[in-house]
Amino acid sequence: SQQGEEDPQALSIQEGENATMNCSYKTSINNLQWYRQNSGRGLVHLILIRSNEREKHSGRLRVTLDTSKKSSSLLITASRAADTASYFCARLEYGNKLVFGAGTILRVKS
Amino acid sequence: DSGVTQTPKHLITATGQRVTLRCSPRSGDLSVYWYQQSLDQGLQFLIQYYNGEERAKGNILERFSAQQFPDLHSELNLSSLELGDSALYFCASSVGAGGSPLHFGNGTRLTVT
Repeated sequence: SQQGEEDPQALSIQEGENATMNCSYKTSINNLQWYRQNSGRGLVHLILIRSNEREKHSGRLRVTLDTSKKSSSLLITASRAADTASYFCARLEYGNKLVFGAGTILRVKS
Repeated sequence: DSGVTQTPKHLITATGQRVTLRCSPRSGDLSVYWYQQSLDQGLQFLIQYYNGEERAKGNILERFSAQQFPDLHSELNLSSLELGDSALYFCASSVGAGGSPLHFGNGTRLTVT
């Protein structure tokens, strides 16, 4: 499979709570990206973190990257019902392939 | 709106047939990527073109082929279709040859009956 490991597979939280999604991978990467997909629609790029960066913020999003553990996490703070979607990490692998994980389905209940 | 246009939005066809999916990238983007998304396989990278040349190849079946034209639009051809080819096919584009964020179209939903 081309996919990395993401956990949890699904997450259900109340509006206002924080949501954390994790992504692990096995090969060396140049960068790691996070995307959101609303049901049946195209993916939307959220944030990109380079291999020499450890943390990056964008609005309510915080991404961390630990290259020694080959893992990344996406934190969404103060979640809203509109954040309900699937979230995918994607890593740029050797051969210029951007490989997506299996995704985490996030449901935010209002 | 990502600026990436995919046509058609839906396609229903029979096994053994051939179809062509079309993609117009976002203005200024030189790279086009094709992905297949299904429930059991997730989002699978098929192929990437950069400025008309094949740049990277994923697990694209021999029955599938793609090309990028001089005006940078791309077509994905799927032939000898099987039931298992039913999926959402996404096109994405990016400015550079690799590593930059992708902008996705809304996909073509292919149903093979």
